[in-house]
Amino acid sequence: GAVVSQHPSWVICKSGTSVKIECRSLDFQATTMFWYRQFPKQSLMLMATSNEGSKATYEQGVEKDKFLINHASLTLSTLTVTSAHPEDSSFYICSARTGGEETQYFGPGTRLLVL
Amino acid sequence: GENVEQHPSTLSVQEGDSAVIKCTYSDSASNYFPWYKQELGKGPQLIIDIRSNVGEKKDQRIAVTLNKTAKHFSLHITETQPEDSAVYFCAASRSPSTLTFGKGTMLLVSP
Repeated sequence: GAVVSQHPSWVICKSGTSVKIECRSLDFQATTMFWYRQFPKQSLMLMATSNEGSKATYEQGVEKDKFLINHASLTLSTLTVTSAHPEDSSFYICSARTGGEETQYFGPGTRLLVL
Repeated sequence: GENVEQHPSTLSVQEGDSAVIKCTYSDSASNYFPWYKQELGKGPQLIIDIRSNVGEKKDQRIAVTLNKTAKHFSLHITETQPEDSAVYFCAASRSPSTLTFGKGTMLLVSP
């Protein structure tokens, strides 16, 4: 149980284009989903927290107009990187937890390369 | 906010030896402490967690200890195997707030 999937697993795009990443909880209802980014050999950096049906809460320094998050259902959240630039290249990982529990279950990650 | 320090940053052991990774946290109100294992190119996988009302928890070769007074917790892996090689992250949170992660420990188990 507690499986989280991400799609795509990797994506290469041209600078200036937008990229959408999906995060799905496969066998539980995720009242809260989190989006992290991770640079090589570094720790996970929380970008934003989203609760189903509410606007996402962004961490300080994360541009909400650049990283659009939608959590429209209890099993799906999406992260859209708008007008991507090479510095947005990173490993993006989502996690999910169900209401009343602390445990976060992570997806396999999406590697984004912006040329 | 919470600050989590993790040591060592790298750890090399021989197969069969034990490995210990230590973390300290700053927020005395933190009450949930998970450990994650991340293999190269993959997402973190929860391996064990502990809550502040428990001092120790064990799951086969893996154990975690928590010292609330000193505000530190440790991961113990016994009888290490090459497949234990990965990056391990500790984290802390004041439930149900967000997790604060340590910087990670790269564990290398040599056959």
